[in-house]
Amino acid sequence: DAKTTQPNSMESNEEEPVHLPCNHSTISGTDYIHWYRQLPSQGPEYVIHGLTSNVNNRMASLAIAEDRKSSTLILHRATLRDAAVYYCIQKAAGNKLTFGGGTRVLVKP
Amino acid sequence: NAGVTQTPKFQVLKTGQSMTLQCAQDMNHNSMYWYRQDPGMGLRLIYYSASEGTTDKGEVPNGYNVSRLNKREFSLRLESAAPSQTSVYFCASSALGQSSNQPQHFGDGTRLSIL
Repeated sequence: DAKTTQPNSMESNEEEPVHLPCNHSTISGTDYIHWYRQLPSQGPEYVIHGLTSNVNNRMASLAIAEDRKSSTLILHRATLRDAAVYYCIQKAAGNKLTFGGGTRVLVKP
Repeated sequence: NAGVTQTPKFQVLKTGQSMTLQCAQDMNHNSMYWYRQDPGMGLRLIYYSASEGTTDKGEVPNGYNVSRLNKREFSLRLESAAPSQTSVYFCASSALGQSSNQPQHFGDGTRLSIL
């Protein structure tokens, strides 16, 4: 069973930031938070991951709450190409991913 | 820069037919995975191979078999296809199988319909 909870969908305007929340209240001390996204008719694509500290890369930022029970993926300026399903995954050792339903992001021009 | 390559991209089978889905990666990754994705759902793990020579069941292994042919290749076989196996199948690979922080790289999927 998926261990994370995400909203089903979110809408954003092009060039505005998008904040995607994720709850992972059962997270253990060694579990990482991974985010993947899936564009239409494509396989999932790795976005970012983190353990305790906030993380930034060229695609997005990941803000992890101090108690680690929630996190937020931040797309700083949404483009039409960012329209996808975003999956937040609580990842234990062993490298297996358990996907939930994800958040469908709609970007309006 | 191919990454993870899956063949075929599309396939239609009749109930009871058999088929092997092929997956190859060129990133020298130790671990490989097979997932299925039904319409409107997230991916579910069928089988995985943490390293060459090992395979393990995932969440939904019934009706499937796998072979880790070598470090590059991991195939998924349907011995007797059933309509319930109509789905999109994704292969993935990752480095360092026992680590929690290695991302997985996915192929573009095989769309399989069973009539």
